[in-house]
Amino acid sequence: GDSVTQMEGPVTLSEEACLTINCTYTATGYPSLFWYVQYPGEGLQLLLKATKADDKGSNKGFEATYRKETTSFHLEKGSVQVSDSAVYFCALVNLQGAQKLVFGQGTRLTINP
Amino acid sequence: NAGVTQTPKFRVLKTGQSMTLLCAQDMNHEYMYWYRQDPGMGLRLIHYSVGEGTTAKGEVPDGYNVSRLKKQNFLLGLESAAPSQTSVYFCASSPTGTVSNQPQHFGDGTRLSIL
Repeated sequence: GDSVTQMEGPVTLSEEACLTINCTYTATGYPSLFWYVQYPGEGLQLLLKATKADDKGSNKGFEATYRKETTSFHLEKGSVQVSDSAVYFCALVNLQGAQKLVFGQGTRLTINP
Repeated sequence: NAGVTQTPKFRVLKTGQSMTLLCAQDMNHEYMYWYRQDPGMGLRLIHYSVGEGTTAKGEVPDGYNVSRLKKQNFLLGLESAAPSQTSVYFCASSPTGTVSNQPQHFGDGTRLSIL
């Protein structure tokens, strides 16, 4: 079945450092890909999405490019802030299937001042 | 804007007790979902509903039941709670399923502990 694998956490960085959180997927067909963010004590919020190969999703300084050839959707940010501390989830929905979100295990990110 | 509201936010149960978690959405969404979140495992789908009066099993349905008697509400029931059901539960809704431009909207979660 469909699956999503994220890099192991936790990840700790200093403010203004560069961030990459790796995400790879396995799916039949052509899934849509998402990054969700969960701030402490809150539910998940959609951060960005991409619906087809080579699409780039972006929001709040974060970017991710849908790479079909490597089945990847890595999350990047050039300069992180303390307020970016959260848990990040990569997810996919396969429009050929039951249209349910499949999540990765999540990556906890902590940014130190 | 209320969005998706979950009740209660916290609960502690003893093994064998029963309880119902309530999810309410005010966005007139057709689809609703219940997930559980466990450390290192992301979110796993328990049950979902594609409309009023309909429910379907997700990835981890055992030990749970659901009902969707009204479009705006989706109830998750534990008939006989077990320690393995200690988790954080999230409800979500979406307009017509998880299509690319209509992602799911999540509640803030219910933290449930079974002793």
